[in-house]
Amino acid sequence: EAGVTQSPTHLIKTRGQQATLRCSPISGHTSVYWYQQALGLGLQFLLWYDEGEERNRGNFPPRFSGRQFPNYSSELNVNALELEDSALYLCASSLGQMSNEKLFFGSGTQLSVL
Amino acid sequence: RKEVEQDPGPFNVPEGATVAFNCTYSNSASQSFFWYRQDCRKEPKLLMSVYSSGNEDGRFTAQLNRASQYISLLIRDSKLSDSATYLCAGRSNAGKSTFGDGTTLTVKP
Repeated sequence: EAGVTQSPTHLIKTRGQQATLRCSPISGHTSVYWYQQALGLGLQFLLWYDEGEERNRGNFPPRFSGRQFPNYSSELNVNALELEDSALYLCASSLGQMSNEKLFFGSGTQLSVL
Repeated sequence: RKEVEQDPGPFNVPEGATVAFNCTYSNSASQSFFWYRQDCRKEPKLLMSVYSSGNEDGRFTAQLNRASQYISLLIRDSKLSDSATYLCAGRSNAGKSTFGDGTTLTVKP
């Protein structure tokens, strides 16, 4: 069974551009989460989607947005890129939204903003 | 103050040693807790869930103390392959999982 898949693996952009990152959850999982991990730092919660709706959002500016599609895959969009947006963006999925649901991560998209 | 705090280490131990990591959390809304393992620049992988009664998986033992708001991970008989960063995470019913910054473990021959 396929795990969480993310694309692209690497993305290079320049300041001011827009980036789109994609995630496909494990089959049967309805919840998708996005995290940012800057080099040497911990995981920072970005967004949570469940059943097509945004359910929770971390402390990030509005230029970080996303959506979840009917097939539960998800997109993260980052507008007006800044240098400090360079990080590993991790997507995770879970079977549902209960607190005891385990998160399974994709291998991430490494975003570099030049 | 961070919601989940961990001693960043690094912990450098010889093979065969026993090592313990602690993690404290401040958000009382956190209901479930987990330990993840992250190898360098790779995705975190679930190591184990953490229960108040304590749970064991081979050489790994996890414990949750709700009164003191900390969780722990004990690794016995450390192997070289245990070298990684260990992340604790708390998850609320609001779907948000908050991670500590991780504790780095290096097991040396």
